[in-house]
Amino acid sequence: GAGVSQSPRYKVAKRGQDVALRCDPISGHVSLFWYQQALGQGPEFLTYFQNEAQLDKSGLPSDRFFAERPEGSVSTLKIQRTQQEDSAVYLCASSLSGGAEWETQYFGPGTRLLVL
Amino acid sequence: AQSVTQPDIHITVSEGASLELRCNYSYGATPYLFWYVQSPGQGLQLLLKYFSGDTLVQGIKGFEAEFKRSQSSFNLRKPSVHWSDAAEYFCAVVGMDSSYKLIFGSGTRLLVRP
Repeated sequence: GAGVSQSPRYKVAKRGQDVALRCDPISGHVSLFWYQQALGQGPEFLTYFQNEAQLDKSGLPSDRFFAERPEGSVSTLKIQRTQQEDSAVYLCASSLSGGAEWETQYFGPGTRLLVL
Repeated sequence: AQSVTQPDIHITVSEGASLELRCNYSYGATPYLFWYVQSPGQGLQLLLKYFSGDTLVQGIKGFEAEFKRSQSSFNLRKPSVHWSDAAEYFCAVVGMDSSYKLIFGSGTRLLVRP
């Protein structure tokens, strides 16, 4: 595809609801990343996939956060029992190959989640 | 731990004026450094990156950045700002514990006066 796409662009959830955020990476990109961007802050790393394998989930804030990429392309970030502190923009990025330092990560427009 | 500091939260410049956005990093070895721009409703777009070699790096949209090891800095510059440059700018470094985990500064919001 032309770029990384994410859906929905905006999501309002009541506290305690489960949400699912979708990321479509650039076609053929091996690596996929999720970041969380709180208001007024820079993005913070959540998790990393290489193809369908989740190689790093060290940034996931709690066990309420779960990510998957079952076929090595589309990824879903799921947040269970949402809390107000989960309100943020969730950014997805992809890169061409194995996540080397020099590779460019291409970011999607993000999903803005508001938990009431 | 690695960190990135962008000391200016907001900067306002007049259109046509020069621009310098500051970035300082904390890193134990030769860093991999990046500048991204984020416009409202858009994803982060890479402006330029530095790995090694020439310490002055050219990027897209007329931006450049200079790596200064002695000052642990990687400041972004543009000689003449356009109104369309108004956006949020993020400096980032690859974390030491991985080859892929970007660590971002808190960003600098650029406002351009007509």
